[in-house]
Amino acid sequence: GAVVSQHPSRVICKSGTSVKIECRSLDFQATTMFWYRQFPKQSLMLMATSNEGSKATYEQGVEKDKFLINHASLTLSTLTVTSAHPEDSSFYICSARGTSGRANEQFFGPGTRLTVL
Amino acid sequence: AQSVSQHNHHVILSEAASLELGCNYSYGGTVNLFWYVQYPGQHLQLLLKYFSGDPLVKGIKGFEAEFIKSKFSFNLRKPSVQWSDTAEYFCAVNFGGNSGNTPLVFGKGTRLSVIA
Repeated sequence: GAVVSQHPSRVICKSGTSVKIECRSLDFQATTMFWYRQFPKQSLMLMATSNEGSKATYEQGVEKDKFLINHASLTLSTLTVTSAHPEDSSFYICSARGTSGRANEQFFGPGTRLTVL
Repeated sequence: AQSVSQHNHHVILSEAASLELGCNYSYGGTVNLFWYVQYPGQHLQLLLKYFSGDPLVKGIKGFEAEFIKSKFSFNLRKPSVQWSDTAEYFCAVNFGGNSGNTPLVFGKGTRLSVIA
C-alpha cells in the first residue's frame, strides 16, 4: 500500500520559535499534498494544497506567512509554523495524492502533535 | 457551497448492536466517497471507499456503506459492533471525482462508544 510518513510525530516548543514538519510519500510519487489541522475532538480542517514545484494554495483564514509550505519534490512537502504561539498547538496531518492509478485517493500521514508553551 | 454533514455527534451502543452512521453531502456532480476511522491516539485509517459501480461497498472490519445518489448519502453500517470499534468515524468526500487538486472535505465526525 501507499505509505505517508511525518516527522516529527510530536514536538514541544517555546512561544516565538519556528517548527518544521516534514511529510514524505515513501513508496509513490505525490503530485499533490494537502495539509490539515485537527483540534481536539474536532474534524480535519484543510489548511492548504500544494503541488510539486509551485506555490501552495491556502484556505480562507489560513495565514500563508505563518504556515509556510514547500513542496520541493514529488515525495516531500514541509510545513513550517513560524513564530509559533500557544493557539497554534494542534494536530497537523498531511496527506498525499498519487499519480496515475493512485490519483483518486489521498493517503494520510500519522500526524504531528505540536504543543507550543 | 460543498459540504459534508454527519448527523450524529456521539453514538453509544452496546456490544452486538447494529450500527448506522449517517453522512450526507451537498453537490450534484460526481463524487468520490470515503469513510475513515480514527482510534484513540492513532491516525486516520481508511475503512472503505466508493468511486463508481456497485453502490454497496464493503470495507475492512465488517463495515459497509451504501451510496444513494438520489439522497446524496453514504451511510456507514455494521451489523454487530464490538468494543474495539470505539473510535471517531469521519465521512469524507472528494467533490468533482477525479481531480488531482481537489482535497477531501471531511464531515465533523461521529464518536462511537461501544459498551459491554
